[in-house]
Amino acid sequence: GQSLEQPSEVTAVEGAIVQINCTYQTSGFYGLSWYQQHDGGAPTFLSYNALDGLEETGRFSSFLSRSDSYGYLLLQELQMKDSASYFCAVRANYGGSQGNLIFGKGTKLSVKP
Amino acid sequence: DTEVTQTPKHLVMGMTNKKSLKCEQHMGHRAMYWYKQKAKKPPELMFVYSYEKLSINESVPSRFSPECPNSSLLNLHLHALQPEDSALYLCASSPRTASNEKLFFGSGTQLSVL
Repeated sequence: GQSLEQPSEVTAVEGAIVQINCTYQTSGFYGLSWYQQHDGGAPTFLSYNALDGLEETGRFSSFLSRSDSYGYLLLQELQMKDSASYFCAVRANYGGSQGNLIFGKGTKLSVKP
Repeated sequence: DTEVTQTPKHLVMGMTNKKSLKCEQHMGHRAMYWYKQKAKKPPELMFVYSYEKLSINESVPSRFSPECPNSSLLNLHLHALQPEDSALYLCASSPRTASNEKLFFGSGTQLSVL
């Protein structure tokens, strides 16, 4: 089978750092993507890790450990506008969706003043 | 232009109606997707078009009928829907299906079936 696990909710205060973890179980792993979705909005691509290590893009960083089947999204200097749902995603390796992105259940991040 | 445009933004329809959702992109992408998203759930793949040909139909009921008239347009025809089909319908594109780790999503059509 194939599965993605991430926390359902995370709360943090403005200016803080928060880490959203994602563990996956899959064969034929290509890489881990992260998407942000504000309430009522479209998912938007944040990052993609195909190799182990940390990728930094401004206040957001993403990490991957292929040996541990684990990745995380790190958000620094949190702002109110970061309140959103965050999804990790991998390519499906079975069934009709094979080769296409499947998403974790999402982590709802609430940033408090 | 890095946008995927979906119309309409909101749609209310009865179970006997026929309606269509439209999606357009002008990024030259050759892979286009329909996803369905229920509230507080992740997007779920419905259909994939690659070079205007349907490549994936994820066991979607026949009351949903996709169409790709050309490389920039994607339609989803709806007929005899059920109330449980109420959801956000998202269109997405990527340069090719092999580069789908980065999908460009439209803002979606919020569909309510009465």
